[in-house]
Amino acid sequence: DAGVIQSPRHEVTEMGQEVTLRCKPISGHNSLFWYRQTMMRGLELLIYFNNNVPIDDSGMPEDRFSAKMPNASFSTLKIQPSEPRDSAVYFCASSLSGGAGYGYTFGSGTRLTVV
Amino acid sequence: GQQVMQIPQYQHVQEGEDFTTYCNSSTTLSNIQWYKQRPGGHPVFLIQLVKSGEVKKQKRLTFQFGEAKKNSSLHITATQTTDVGTYFCAGRKAGTALIFGKGTTLSVSS
Repeated sequence: DAGVIQSPRHEVTEMGQEVTLRCKPISGHNSLFWYRQTMMRGLELLIYFNNNVPIDDSGMPEDRFSAKMPNASFSTLKIQPSEPRDSAVYFCASSLSGGAGYGYTFGSGTRLTVV
Repeated sequence: GQQVMQIPQYQHVQEGEDFTTYCNSSTTLSNIQWYKQRPGGHPVFLIQLVKSGEVKKQKRLTFQFGEAKKNSSLHITATQTTDVGTYFCAGRKAGTALIFGKGTTLSVSS
């Protein structure tokens, strides 16, 4: 298996622009997670899906952020409009059964820079 | 909300010295997991602890879960340069996703 695949690896955008991050989880994993990593705040859970259904989105910063999982093999995280404080590394991770008994497999991340 | 705290934030050791990082949760956890992130990389799952007082070993790494299931530790014996990276603990309550500590960054000089 190729692991969790994220795209793009790097994104530089201007403030106010829309940004879409993409994730393909490991085939057969039924839980998907979006995390954001910064030096100041560490790894923050943004949202997690179980069987394509959003279970907990309490970590989504505000209405500018939205996430979808239209099927078991694809998820997107969208920021509109983007702001400089959104600059961070965004990780997608997947696991079996919400991670109970299993670890999370992380993708390589998308490094987002908003200027 | 649930918080997971780790200390120390940074640790520098000479190669061959031991290293320990500690993790504390504000609430009782159903399990705790440990991850390692190399510089510029992504977190990689190391191990999960579930039972109160559980101790697990992976070669030079020893993981412990506290009796109250609110704290954990990772101990590395005789560090090597390949141990460099940031070690995260992550805890979860039943039905929730993992909450990560801020990690301990280990540097090793030869």
